Amino acid sequence: EVQLVQSGAEVKKPGESLKISCKGSGYSFTSYWIGWVRQMPGKGLEWMGIIYPGDSDTRYSPSFQGQVTISADKSISTAYLQWSSLKASDTAMYYCARHVDGYNFRLDYWGQGTLVTVSS
Amino acid sequence: QSVLTQPPSVSGAPGQRVTISCTGSSSNIGAGYDVHWYQQLPGTAPKLLIYGNSNRPSGVPDRFSGSKSGTSASLAITGLQAEDEADYYCQSYDSSLSAHVVFGGGTKLTVL
Repeated sequence: EVQLVQSGAEVKKPGESLKISCKGSGYSFTSYWIGWVRQMPGKGLEWMGIIYPGDSDTRYSPSFQGQVTISADKSISTAYLQWSSLKASDTAMYYCARHVDGYNFRLDYWGQGTLVTVSS
Repeated sequence: QSVLTQPPSVSGAPGQRVTISCTGSSSNIGAGYDVHWYQQLPGTAPKLLIYGNSNRPSGVPDRFSGSKSGTSASLAITGLQAEDEADYYCQSYDSSLSAHVVFGGGTKLTVL
């Protein structure tokens, strides 16, 4: 059974750094793109970017380029999303999701979400 | 605003049929890329509902169907049930300089 299990909720102050994780199981982690989706409170889904754990090829949405870093450790089947300096506007739920089917990418399995709260 | 345009809300009575539209452009839906639909129940992660314009993953009832034409796509739900009350999002791929994966703004379905 394919599963994506994300790390727990975080409460941080503006300016702090943060790295959240997403562990895949039940499939070949290195053979599928995995990405991140932001959902701000009461808002819709925003695609942030993806990584191919097999070779670490990474692509970002222009809206998030330079704002976050996506990485992966294939030895432990885990993808990461990190910030070097959080802002209050980073407060949101973050989902990881497996991407399949090349240019017709669909997100077929999702993590349970990690709530990030940034407040002074 | 979102690259793909959806109505903010739709509603229907139990047993009725509702449709949700998703309008794109020549760089995404109109370029031939597939449209996928997701259902997000309150307080839960999104779930893939329709993929490749009209295909249902295993376990999704056949009350849900999808179609695509030109630069638009639609999700239809027949025999509406209370448990269908959720947010629905369309998604496609965009070949422009913007994001590779694009979502619609989401549609809140209310079952009256």
